[in-house]
Amino acid sequence: DQQVKQNSPSLSVQEGRISILNCDYTNSMFDYFLWYKKYPAEGPTFLISISSIKDKNEDGRFTVFLNKSAKHLSLHIVPSQPGDSAVYFCAAIETSGSRLTFGEGTQLTVNP
Amino acid sequence: DSGVTQTPKHLITATGQRVTLRCSPRSGDLSVYWYQQSLDQGLQFLIQYYNGEERAKGNILERFSAQQFPDLHSELNLSSLELGDSALYFCASSAGDAALQYFGPGTRLTVL
Repeated sequence: DQQVKQNSPSLSVQEGRISILNCDYTNSMFDYFLWYKKYPAEGPTFLISISSIKDKNEDGRFTVFLNKSAKHLSLHIVPSQPGDSAVYFCAAIETSGSRLTFGEGTQLTVNP
Repeated sequence: DSGVTQTPKHLITATGQRVTLRCSPRSGDLSVYWYQQSLDQGLQFLIQYYNGEERAKGNILERFSAQQFPDLHSELNLSSLELGDSALYFCASSAGDAALQYFGPGTRLTVL
């Protein structure tokens, strides 16, 4: 039972354009969501998060949007840079618990 | 650098063998988490320890066990290894039962 899904295994974007990564979840008990970025041979690195009481959180070039009714969140990167090329994981958690549930990841490639 | 260290980086062993993976959390973090990432999949939660005590359990096989020592480092023991156990094993730490977890670089286990 895949409670967090990232339906796009890969995304290719031109430098300077917007990258939009999507994530869907099924468990309505999730109330906190995170995006992690992973480079090869490294562990996931925290990027940005959002609580279920908000619908948007922004940090520099990165913005996460949450649509609770649709159980959908997205990560926008504007403008995209070649250094953003990595695998992006969406993760969710019930803050009453402690386990992160991850999506399968989306490989983002930003072309110069 | 997340501050979480894992050893070894790579491990190659044969079926039926037993291995131990080691993790040192960030300074001051009391919680340690173990995750498994198999090929092209998201990270799967295995187990959490908090200040030496098991706090939460995920889909951890009976052949696998973990512990957290008084100095807060943790070990994940994998026994009777099978080909399907080949994966990346990540350790993460957090200050408590925190959603924001910091990941180590992982141990790549190859079972031949």
